[in-house]
Amino acid sequence: NAGVMQNPRHLVRRRGQEARLRCSPMKGHSHVYWYRQLPEEGLKFMVYLQKENIIDESGMPKERFSAEFPKEGPSILRIQQVVRGDSAAYFCASSPLRQGYEQYFGPGTRLTVT
Amino acid sequence: KQEVTQIPAALSVPEGENLVLNCSFTDSAIYNLQWFRQDPGKGLTSLLLIQSSQREQTSGRLNASLDKSSGRSTLYIAASQPGDSATYLCAFTGGTSYGKLTFGQGTILTVHP
Repeated sequence: NAGVMQNPRHLVRRRGQEARLRCSPMKGHSHVYWYRQLPEEGLKFMVYLQKENIIDESGMPKERFSAEFPKEGPSILRIQQVVRGDSAAYFCASSPLRQGYEQYFGPGTRLTVT
Repeated sequence: KQEVTQIPAALSVPEGENLVLNCSFTDSAIYNLQWFRQDPGKGLTSLLLIQSSQREQTSGRLNASLDKSSGRSTLYIAASQPGDSATYLCAFTGGTSYGKLTFGQGTILTVHP
């Protein structure tokens, strides 16, 4: 059973460009979570999604950031018009539909904005 | 606001020592608590999950306990090895945000031969 997969692992974007980060959850998992780890800071929750639904987006910046988890395909975290402050490691996690909600993390995408 | 504090921030021990990492949280209405390790430049590996109805969990040389009344969890590592060197993070879900993990800042552990 493959783990949570994220791609790309490293992404370089110039200021003003768009960044698209992909996450494929573990097989059988229907819940996806995105977290961000800024340099020298802890992990912060961004958004929690189920298939075709955003459950909790309380950690998402109000502008430029969006996330989706379509019926088919991976979850996408999209950052429009990136700025240098968006440089961070973005982690995706998934959990199965059962009590406990243990979350399994992917290797992360390291975004660098130049 | 839910907060998680981990003490110590860093710990350096010789190989073979038993050690305890501490985690405290402000919200007693937790749903579950997870301990993770993170190696430099890597993702998170889940070590142990303790549900709110449980008091402890064990996996190999690791034992984690949960005391909801005092808002504390501890991770005990027995017979530490250099391969245990990593950052250890505790995180919990709770309140109305049962899907959202709130993380501590982590404890950086170094086990030297």
